[in-house]
Amino acid sequence: DTAVSQTPKYLVTQMGNDKSIKCEQNLGHDTMYWYKQDSKKFLKIMFSYNNKELIINETVPNRFSPKSPDKAHLNLHINSLELGDSAVYFCASSQEEGAAGANVLTFGAGSRLTVL
Amino acid sequence: AQSVTQPDIHITVSEGASLELRCNYSYGATPYLFWYVQSPGQGLQLLLKYFSGDTLVQGIKGFEAEFKRSQSSFNLRKPSVHWSDAAEYFCAVGGGTGKLIFGQGTTLQVKP
Repeated sequence: DTAVSQTPKYLVTQMGNDKSIKCEQNLGHDTMYWYKQDSKKFLKIMFSYNNKELIINETVPNRFSPKSPDKAHLNLHINSLELGDSAVYFCASSQEEGAAGANVLTFGAGSRLTVL
Repeated sequence: AQSVTQPDIHITVSEGASLELRCNYSYGATPYLFWYVQSPGQGLQLLLKYFSGDTLVQGIKGFEAEFKRSQSSFNLRKPSVHWSDAAEYFCAVGGGTGKLIFGQGTTLQVKP
């Protein structure tokens, strides 16, 4: 039973199209994230949501719009896709651990987006 | 500036040999430190984490890491590497919010 599941796993599309990636977690976590891994394997946070509320919004083009219908789901919609959007997108969720309540992330398997 | 540096892009070790992957960080506040492993086509799996207390932390799959505040380092070690350990290893630092700053990763190759 997958803890953080993303669909689709692979997505190939043309420039200018609009596409969505879906994410669901069954861990009961309150916080969910989108991270982007580029072709050099560099990982960077894009967004985080806590109980359907946007918490972190890194300087991401507004062509990227996250949507959280409930705390178990966080979808990523991308408008007008560009070549530079080609990457692996990872969804994650977290729970607080330790005395300081630090968030520990559990990642999904990733969605590889290729824009032609 | 907040950053994580993994000086070794690629490391090759023989099966059964010991392993040390280096990680140095720059972070203005109390750092929470993590090591993740990514196998080909897979997501990131948490190996271990450090929040506070004992500076030597044990993780899964026989890995351990040592936090050295004076050196701003959090190196990952394993006494005896198995072929299945071949993967990409990422060190990350965060302030507890879930916003992690990752290093560029170290690719581990294991020779038979």
